[in-house]
Amino acid sequence: DIQMTQSPSSLSASVGDRVTITCRASQSISSYLNWYQQKPGKAPKLLIYAASSLQSGVPSRFSGSGSGTDFTLTISSLQPEDFATYYCQQSYSTPSITFGQGTRLEIK
Amino acid sequence: EVQLVESGGGLVQPGGSLRLSCAASGFTFSSYEMNWVRQAPGKGLEWVSYISSSGSTIYYADSVKGRFTISRDNAKNSLYLQMNSLRAEDTAVYYCARESADYWGQGTLVTVSS
Repeated sequence: DIQMTQSPSSLSASVGDRVTITCRASQSISSYLNWYQQKPGKAPKLLIYAASSLQSGVPSRFSGSGSGTDFTLTISSLQPEDFATYYCQQSYSTPSITFGQGTRLEIK
Repeated sequence: EVQLVESGGGLVQPGGSLRLSCAASGFTFSSYEMNWVRQAPGKGLEWVSYISSSGSTIYYADSVKGRFTISRDNAKNSLYLQMNSLRAEDTAVYYCARESADYWGQGTLVTVSS
């Protein structure tokens, strides 16, 4: 199985900050990498697909980059509604998709 | 508007059974592969099962293989998960998710406890 490792596991930041979350795959997954946002009690919401493509309706302050084994999610200027948990997910070995352990983004 | 609505969760004793349903609307259900993904309380996301658009190809995570059965009824725009021999570690919110996981339902909670 392909393992996905996110860092950091948690992060404190302020409104307006630039934030970067990283995700590393245990083997090359090309660009088969998605990013999700999850708020408490809600389903995950797709933000970025194919490593760098912005899902329709998602604010442009969210961006993704990377290929192979190393990927990043960047939020250019944190807004109050962005405080949530973020997950990366590989779809290279679909249908056996796997997720990172999550990064909890908290208000400083 | 794409909508996925899960139902069928609840409290069940260890060794018991439960059948989850996912009602789809707002897209051509029969053209899409579907997945079940679960999330234990306070934990991360775990893929559970996959079914192709026609239902002819099915996969399971090792943790549920032999106990869970995924199926679909394209005429009813519905996805199902039959869960047998339930264990405490199956306690989770179960989500149905469309193909590339671009849309998810709101989830249904399954609690396995005596």
